[in-house]
Amino acid sequence: SQELEQSPQSLIVQEGKNLTINCTSSKTLYGLYWYKQKYGEGLIFLMMLQKGGEEKSHEKITAKLDEKKQQSSLHITASQPSHAGIYLCGADSGGSNYKLTFGKGTLLTVNP
Amino acid sequence: KAGVTQTPRYLIKTRGQQVTLSCSPISGHRSVSWYQQTPGQGLQFLFEYFSETQRNKGNFPGRFSGRQFSNSRSEMNVSTLELGDSALYLCASSSTSGTRIYNEQFFGPGTRLTVL
Repeated sequence: SQELEQSPQSLIVQEGKNLTINCTSSKTLYGLYWYKQKYGEGLIFLMMLQKGGEEKSHEKITAKLDEKKQQSSLHITASQPSHAGIYLCGADSGGSNYKLTFGKGTLLTVNP
Repeated sequence: KAGVTQTPRYLIKTRGQQVTLSCSPISGHRSVSWYQQTPGQGLQFLFEYFSETQRNKGNFPGRFSGRQFSNSRSEMNVSTLELGDSALYLCASSSTSGTRIYNEQFFGPGTRLTVL
């Protein structure tokens, strides 16, 4: 079965700093999804990547899927307290299993 | 468009009881997935329904079951509750078609189940 490893597990940054979160898959990724979650709440969809080398941006958040389609990175530029939360990557491993496998998440704290 | 809604938001049950959780997907979405989230195991897939058919099921005991209605609303049921079933149960809907190609999954706020 597919496994996703996220790094780091937690991150504390000063407001205004840039940061990167990584998501590495044990198998080829057919679809990679990034979500943000406030503690105890639902997941907020950020971005979906499907093609090797694809890069998408929304406001100050950029996500990339590497060419070999086994790793993705999420980069936040000039972090703000509103970026704080848990970032989760989810993957579709292909086939007909119709499910997403998620990493354990990265807890981001942004200090003002 | 209204988002995914889940009811109830909070539930407290005792061991041995059963519980039913409800999920209303985004209008037009026919795929509904259920996930269990715990601090130790993270987000784990329970099952996925499309047009009233269960297409996949995760590695959970038979006490966990679900169904989908013709209007795409879905329910999940947990019988004979155990302490370890305490978790946040999340529902997600997607506009994905009958093929395996995924569109974005949109999540509801979750139901917090506490088993005493």
